[in-house]
Amino acid sequence: GAGVSQTPSNKVTEKGKYVELRCDPISGHTALYWYRQSLGQGPEFLIYFQGTGAADDSGLPNDRFFAVRPEGSVSTLKIQRTERGDSAVYLCASSLTPSTGELFFGEGSRLTVL
Amino acid sequence: AQSVTQPDIHITVSEGASLELRCNYSYGATPYLFWYVQSPGQGLQLLLKYFSGDTLVQGIKGFEAEFKRSQSSFNLRKPSVHWSDAAEYFCAPKEAGSYQLTFGKGTKLSVIP
Repeated sequence: GAGVSQTPSNKVTEKGKYVELRCDPISGHTALYWYRQSLGQGPEFLIYFQGTGAADDSGLPNDRFFAVRPEGSVSTLKIQRTERGDSAVYLCASSLTPSTGELFFGEGSRLTVL
Repeated sequence: AQSVTQPDIHITVSEGASLELRCNYSYGATPYLFWYVQSPGQGLQLLLKYFSGDTLVQGIKGFEAEFKRSQSSFNLRKPSVHWSDAAEYFCAPKEAGSYQLTFGKGTKLSVIP
């Protein structure tokens, strides 16, 4: 499709389980971002990729969170040993010109940890 | 510390009325400034942006915003609201040289027919 695609749209898991969230950016966009949006809050930055490498991962909350983008296109956000506090909507965005801040967002993956 | 504030959590306006959503920021240097809109079932969409120059910027869907350096504000306006404008609006500064947008907590707009 033409936009940023995220799967799954909804994920329910149990505390302690491992979760993967996938993002397929707009074709040709070299910059890819992950944000997390908790209920009643604005999105919070997690990580930024330029190509295959993580150029800025300063927003990852702890070492249970990890993201990859092995071929410079699709990215996967991985969460180990999930906790109830990880429940949120995880947003992916891509950009052709990252320095401008013009991001194109997907609809998000809603994660619920029971 | 850098911060962004959207003082209004929820605003209700009648269709056809004018709208102003407030945004204040606290940064050492003037950041780039953005407004994004989040409609139900849709991803965040860029409405408009300010980098430098003319302090009144035009965006999509009839929205505009005015940058006021003296007030550290970047308020979003629309002269006549349509029912389809009901959504949540986020102000998001970005420090020059950074790749991170810092989003405010958002203002939810309800429109009365």
